[in-house]
Amino acid sequence: KQEVTQIPAALSVPEGENLVLNCSFTDSAIYNLQWFRQDPGKGLTSLLLIQSSQREQTSGRLNASLDKSSGRSTLYIAASQPGDSATYLCAVYAGGTSYGKLTFGQGTILTVHP
Amino acid sequence: DGGITQSPKYLFRKEGQNVTLSCEQNLNHDAMYWYRQDPGQGLRLIYYSQIVNDFQKGDIAEGYSVSREKKESFPLTVTSAQKNPTAFYLCASSKGIKGTEAFFGQGTRLTVV
Repeated sequence: KQEVTQIPAALSVPEGENLVLNCSFTDSAIYNLQWFRQDPGKGLTSLLLIQSSQREQTSGRLNASLDKSSGRSTLYIAASQPGDSATYLCAVYAGGTSYGKLTFGQGTILTVHP
Repeated sequence: DGGITQSPKYLFRKEGQNVTLSCEQNLNHDAMYWYRQDPGQGLRLIYYSQIVNDFQKGDIAEGYSVSREKKESFPLTVTSAQKNPTAFYLCASSKGIKGTEAFFGQGTRLTVV
């Protein structure tokens, strides 16, 4: 069974800092990994999608990397801002016998204070 | 505008009642998903469907049922057999082809009164 773990569970940083969120998964038979943002009481907003054949994706101040063989992904946020405060979730799209299943980690709660 | 619409936003249910949560998408996506989120928790998969008239149980399907009669719609029924239904429910969709991006609705908050 695929399990996804995110570290740390919570992170509080001052504005302007660069930070890294971690995501690990137990089964490397994935087709992609996706990072999401969730604001309180809201749905999920897609941030970045990395295909299994890719090593990284960038969007603005966000950079996500994927090491499929070691079962790890990182989300790098540059020059953090208070508006980045939210819960960040990673999810893997399964292959193999669990084809099509999208499994999530527990999320990292990020607080950026002015 | 293309997207996923969940309704209602808030739903109250009396114990012993079945309720149905609506999820509609106009993205022409084949795959649809239902997740449950409890306070401070990640998302847990209830059911998913890769194509019309077919669906699979996720990790916590007990006490829930779904149907997929139309490509655009994937309603979730929370039955009286679900012992702790109070939660935030999220619907998602994707093209269904391996490696495609998933999109989410804004969620339905269900409370048992």
